[in-house]
Amino acid sequence: EPEVTQTPSHQVTQMGQEVILRCVPISNHLYFYWYRQILGQKVEFLVSFYNNEISEKSEIFDDQFSVERPDGSNFTLKIRSTKLEDSAMYFCASSEARRIRRGGGYTFGSGTRLTVV
Amino acid sequence: AQKITQTQPGMFVQEKEAVTLDCTYDTSDPSYGLFWYKQPSSGEMIFLIYQGSYDQQNATEGRYSLNFQKARKSANLVISASQLGDSAMYFCAMTLDFNKFYFGSGTKLNVKP
Repeated sequence: EPEVTQTPSHQVTQMGQEVILRCVPISNHLYFYWYRQILGQKVEFLVSFYNNEISEKSEIFDDQFSVERPDGSNFTLKIRSTKLEDSAMYFCASSEARRIRRGGGYTFGSGTRLTVV
Repeated sequence: AQKITQTQPGMFVQEKEAVTLDCTYDTSDPSYGLFWYKQPSSGEMIFLIYQGSYDQQNATEGRYSLNFQKARKSANLVISASQLGDSAMYFCAMTLDFNKFYFGSGTKLNVKP
């Protein structure tokens, strides 16, 4: 079964440092997403990306965040100057199309646990 | 506004018994999708089951079934014959446009031997 791959699985960074989280979506998918889950809290939508531009972003996704699809396979989330409150699990997801369909077609990666110290 | 509500922060169930995890949702949109995900301690989000708002029958996937009561706006997950490996966090989620998902706060299920 095709997977969304995220690297690294765990990253520790110093406060104020830039961090890039990487994701390889499923190859035929066209829509890409990032979500965040602060420890013990619900999963929250950050941003969606299609056709090389952001299609929607949440209020969490401020100027410290950016996304990019630097080549044909990777999808990255950059946090420019990390804060302690950025510590969370970050999930990448991808989908083939934007329509309701049964179950599959919207797949989450296994997440990157970011710890800011 | 809360779109997905999971009122059970934690649940216990005896191995081999069935358990129901509650989920209610809030939307006036006639078209939506409801999902359940399992999150083990390792952190990944595992898709379990999906229910479309126009589906006439309740969804089933192996030991998982979704008790969809549209008028009550509830989409409870039923796990039959619980196994120790079912111990995890369970999240209910909804999408209106298949762009972004709204997640509930989750239910931590503990299966006792």
